[in-house]
Amino acid sequence: QVQLVQSGAEVKKPGASVKVSCKVSGYTLTELSMHWVRQAPGKGLEWMGGFDPEDGETIYANKFQGRVTMTEDRSTDTAYLELSSLRSEDTAVYYCAKLNCLNGVCYPGDYFDHWGQGTLVTVSS
Amino acid sequence: DIQMTQSPSSLSASVGDRVTITCRASQSISNYLNWYQQKPGKAPKVLIYTASSLQSGVPSTFSGSGSGTDFTLTISSLQPEDFATYYCQQSYSTPYTFGQGTKLEI
Repeated sequence: QVQLVQSGAEVKKPGASVKVSCKVSGYTLTELSMHWVRQAPGKGLEWMGGFDPEDGETIYANKFQGRVTMTEDRSTDTAYLELSSLRSEDTAVYYCAKLNCLNGVCYPGDYFDHWGQGTLVTVSS
Repeated sequence: DIQMTQSPSSLSASVGDRVTITCRASQSISNYLNWYQQKPGKAPKVLIYTASSLQSGVPSTFSGSGSGTDFTLTISSLQPEDFATYYCQQSYSTPYTFGQGTKLEI
């Protein structure tokens, strides 16, 4: 059974960067399409980007292009989200979420079947 | 980007009620529509995928229907544990987008 365990809460100043980790167990990261979704306090869910295993590329939402980097350390089965130039509007819970692709191939209709517990990132001066 | 619009934004109901939440896509997404339930302080949990398929372990009181642009999530008989926020999400194309959520309250 796959489990996604995220790093702890962070407090950052405006302009700083944050790096959140997501440790995978029960699968190897190479088998997965890992994505990141965030949720501002009292707001809805916002997809930030994720890994497409078919072409080996990471897709980012346009809104975060240039500020976000998603990486993976396959030796430790840990995915990372780094967000730079933080502003107060980036205060949110950040979730890693696994897309239920089959045998490393993703299709329309795939869904997020496992989620991390969330990491609260607070941006405040 | 495909916009997802849910209605209502909030809904008051009682245990045993039948409730329906609707989700509309800004363009046709075939049946590539998923529904999630989220409780306070917890990660979302998938209930329904590809519009009408029930995720393993989810009670059969939940059902989904629709295709193209219009979709519904129905809870046939509300249980106390069903009071939560529900989100639709399209997986037709990236960027994956979610509806704004429907908060189901007692």
